[in-house]
Amino acid sequence: QVQLQESGPGLVKPSQTLSLTCTVSGGSISNGGYYWSWIRQPAGKGLEWIGRIYTSGSTHYSPSLKSRVTISVVTSKNQFSLKLTSVTAADTAVYYCAREFQLLSHFDYWGQGTLVTVSS
Amino acid sequence: QSVLTQPPSASGTPGQRVTISCSGSNSNIGNNYVYWYQQLPGTAPKLLIYRNYQRPSGVPDRFSGSKSGTSASLAISGLRSEDEADYYCAAWDNSLSGHVIFGGGTKLTVL
Repeated sequence: QVQLQESGPGLVKPSQTLSLTCTVSGGSISNGGYYWSWIRQPAGKGLEWIGRIYTSGSTHYSPSLKSRVTISVVTSKNQFSLKLTSVTAADTAVYYCAREFQLLSHFDYWGQGTLVTVSS
Repeated sequence: QSVLTQPPSASGTPGQRVTISCSGSNSNIGNNYVYWYQQLPGTAPKLLIYRNYQRPSGVPDRFSGSKSGTSASLAISGLRSEDEADYYCAAWDNSLSGHVIFGGGTKLTVL
């Protein structure tokens, strides 16, 4: 059974960089042709896709966040990571990592989510 | 404001059939698959329907999806108290460099 687990600071100061890591267990991140995504959800609001990475390093980002987002992968650790720069209070949300079954397909496995609050 | 439009709320009594709509456009629902996710309170979303009407293993057949033109629907029959959750539709949008868009979500209340 594939499992994903987010980790990282729960509090980030405005203008700083948010950094999160997703650790995948129960299978190799390199196998199966899957894509790996980050999705966020502000409290009481809907879901917003942030971006995805393939194990080759190929990335796609949401146009609205593209200038501030970097997603990277470390296959030897079965991890992929999110960096979001110049954060503001509007970036406060629960951040989920998820597996995308195929490119432009569904998210079949999700992490439990981690709350990141942007505040001084 | 979401590109996919869902009613903010829906409700039903146990045993009833409830439908949740999701309206989009030709650049998303009209030319791509629709997916549905269920989010129970305090938990991560869970895949409920993929490719318009397919159910992952373990999802009861009380849940069904359909699509027509630029709209889609999720139907839940034999409503149960444990179905009380937020439901999100999703689709890929060709006009947005191939990234997924989610509906605003529908909160289902079981009365």
